[in-house]
Amino acid sequence: KAGVTQTPRYLIKTRGQQVTLSCSPISGHRSVSWYQQTPGQGLQFLFEYFSETQRNKGNFPGRFSGRQFSNSRSEMNVSTLELGDSALYLCASSPKGPGQGSYEQYFGPGTRLTVT
Amino acid sequence: SQKIEQNSEALNIQEGKTATLTCNYTNYSPAYLQWYRQDPGRGPVFLLLIRENEKEKRKERLKVTFDTTLKQSLFHITASQPADSATYLCALENYQLIWGAGTKLIIKP
Repeated sequence: KAGVTQTPRYLIKTRGQQVTLSCSPISGHRSVSWYQQTPGQGLQFLFEYFSETQRNKGNFPGRFSGRQFSNSRSEMNVSTLELGDSALYLCASSPKGPGQGSYEQYFGPGTRLTVT
Repeated sequence: SQKIEQNSEALNIQEGKTATLTCNYTNYSPAYLQWYRQDPGRGPVFLLLIRENEKEKRKERLKVTFDTTLKQSLFHITASQPADSATYLCALENYQLIWGAGTKLIIKP
């Protein structure tokens, strides 16, 4: 099976702009989670979708949003970019949803976002 | 509040020795505990999962223990190799995942 794919891999944006990142999960996986990773903060949970519904949300401002489509593909959007949004954004898929048992995550390669 | 602690300092181990990484948690009762490996610039890779009623789990050179009384998990790599050098993350699961900050492991030849 193909792994989790994320596009684009690298992105440079200017403060105030918005950005949309895309994630295609492993075939058959219905759960998709998004994370932000920075050197100082580690892996920070953004949100998790299962069957097109947001099931969990991390402690991020409303500028960060996401959605999941019927084919389980997911997008996340960040509006009004700030310098502090520069990070590696990781998408992970899982064959199970929250509370359905072991919930191991399979990560994509990430999108490196740089805000200038 | 829920808290997970992993050694923040890098762990330097001589090749061939056993590397032991620690994951401690407070104010949490996880149903599962997971360990991941992450290389620079890449997404984490799932390694092992252990359930709350399991004491130990093994996979090749990897061994994980889970002590719910001490609220601690230990992750061991036996016969360590330079290729094992990476950052190792633990994650606790009980409906959702809570992540540790990771420990950088350096295996010296």
